[in-house]
Amino acid sequence: NAGVTQTPKFQVLKTGQSMTLQCAQDMNHNSMYWYRQDPGMGLRLIYYSASEGTTDKGEVPNGYNVSRLNKREFSLRLESAAPSQTSVYFCASSQDFSTDTQYFGPGTRLTVL
Amino acid sequence: GNSVTQMEGPVTLSEEAFLTINCTYTATGYPSLFWYVQYPGEGLQLLLKATKADDKGSNKGFEATYRKETTSFHLEKGSVQVSDSAVYFCALSDGTGGFKTIFGAGTRLFVKA
Repeated sequence: NAGVTQTPKFQVLKTGQSMTLQCAQDMNHNSMYWYRQDPGMGLRLIYYSASEGTTDKGEVPNGYNVSRLNKREFSLRLESAAPSQTSVYFCASSQDFSTDTQYFGPGTRLTVL
Repeated sequence: GNSVTQMEGPVTLSEEAFLTINCTYTATGYPSLFWYVQYPGEGLQLLLKATKADDKGSNKGFEATYRKETTSFHLEKGSVQVSDSAVYFCALSDGTGGFKTIFGAGTRLFVKA
């Protein structure tokens, strides 16, 4: 049981480049989330998808877009990367948006030069 | 709005020492409270949780009690091991207020042999 998988594990971009972070879960969860983790700031929610076909903004959505491709997959896109987006990105899922426990992927470490 | 405050780290202890990591929260309604742990190079994983006042969550020798009167959820372990070295995050989730989990900034624990 793989749980939550993310690709890539590491990425270096130049300012202005675009990229998509991929996330998939095999637990048949309804809800999925994208967070960024920065030193001293904990995790901050970028976007979430309460159920297949819906997406909503979190705390820090500017500069990002998301797609809930199907129940398993939830991607995060940076259209024009900026140095302020250098961070570690985590995808997570939960059975239901109102359910508490979230299951996290291993993270993507992104550096924008 | 909802918030979580946890003690700053790093916390450095010798093996078999007693551990306390303080966590206090601000929330409307009746949130669920969590401790997540992040081992080096990995995503977060749930350590324990409590869903109502006076509940005690426990796992792997760790405990935390949901104290509504002091709005606290302090993490404790009687005898730490080197393998407990990690970053610990306190978090709350208010299912009635939305779909979001609020994380503290994290406390890094180092345990020396």
